[in-house]
Amino acid sequence: GENVEQHPSTLSVQEGDSAVIKCTYSDSASNYFPWYKQELGKGPQLIIDIRSNVGEKKDQRIAVTLNKTAKHFSLHITETQPEDSAVYFCAARPTDSNYQLIWGAGTKLIIKP
Amino acid sequence: DGGITQSPKYLFRKEGQNVTLSCEQNLNHDAMYWYRQDPGQGLRLIYYSQIVNDFQKGDIAEGYSVSREKKESFPLTVTSAQKNPTAFYLCATTGQGNEKLFFGSGTQLSVL
Repeated sequence: GENVEQHPSTLSVQEGDSAVIKCTYSDSASNYFPWYKQELGKGPQLIIDIRSNVGEKKDQRIAVTLNKTAKHFSLHITETQPEDSAVYFCAARPTDSNYQLIWGAGTKLIIKP
Repeated sequence: DGGITQSPKYLFRKEGQNVTLSCEQNLNHDAMYWYRQDPGQGLRLIYYSQIVNDFQKGDIAEGYSVSREKKESFPLTVTSAQKNPTAFYLCATTGQGNEKLFFGSGTQLSVL
C-alpha cells in the first residue's frame, strides 16, 4: 500500500526567510496531494493541494511542487511570518483507496522572531 | 471548526470502560470521518461514513465502534477492547464530490 514520508520533523527558520517541507510517496498511482496546517489545539486545515497532472501550484506565499518521476512533492512558504508557526501535514491519495488519504507524520515549523 | 463540533474537549477513561466521543456537523456534508492522531505520527483513519446508516472500517478500527443514525451526527465509541486509547481524536467531513476535509477541534482522550 501507499506510504508517505515527511521531512524534516522539525524546522526552525528566521522570520522573513523561506521554509521548505518535503514528502515522498511510494504508490506511483497516487493522484492527489494536499497539505494541511494544524495550529495548537485545533484540527488541521487545508492550505493547498495539487493533482498529478500539474507540476506546480501557487497561492500567495505558499506553493507546492510535484515531481511524479521521483515521487516527491514539497511545500514552499516564502517570507515566513509568526502566524506560519504550526504543524504541517502532507498526504497522498492512492487511486484504489476509495478516496482515503495516507498521511505524513507532520513537520513542526517554528518561526523565530 | 466552523460547523463541526466535537465534545468533550478532554475525556478520561478508566480501565474496562467504554467512552463515547461526540461529533456534530451543520455543514450538510454527506461524508464523515474519525481519525486518530498520536504524537510524531500522521493521522490514521478509524471509521468513515459516506451516507446515513452506512459506515466502513478504516485502517485501525479494532476496539472502536460508530453509528450514523443522522446525517449531522457520527459518534465514536472507544471500547474496553482498545488497549491503548490515549490519543487525540479528530472528526472530519467532506461535501459531495469535494475532496477537502473539514476538521473539528478534536478530543484528547487519556486513560486514568
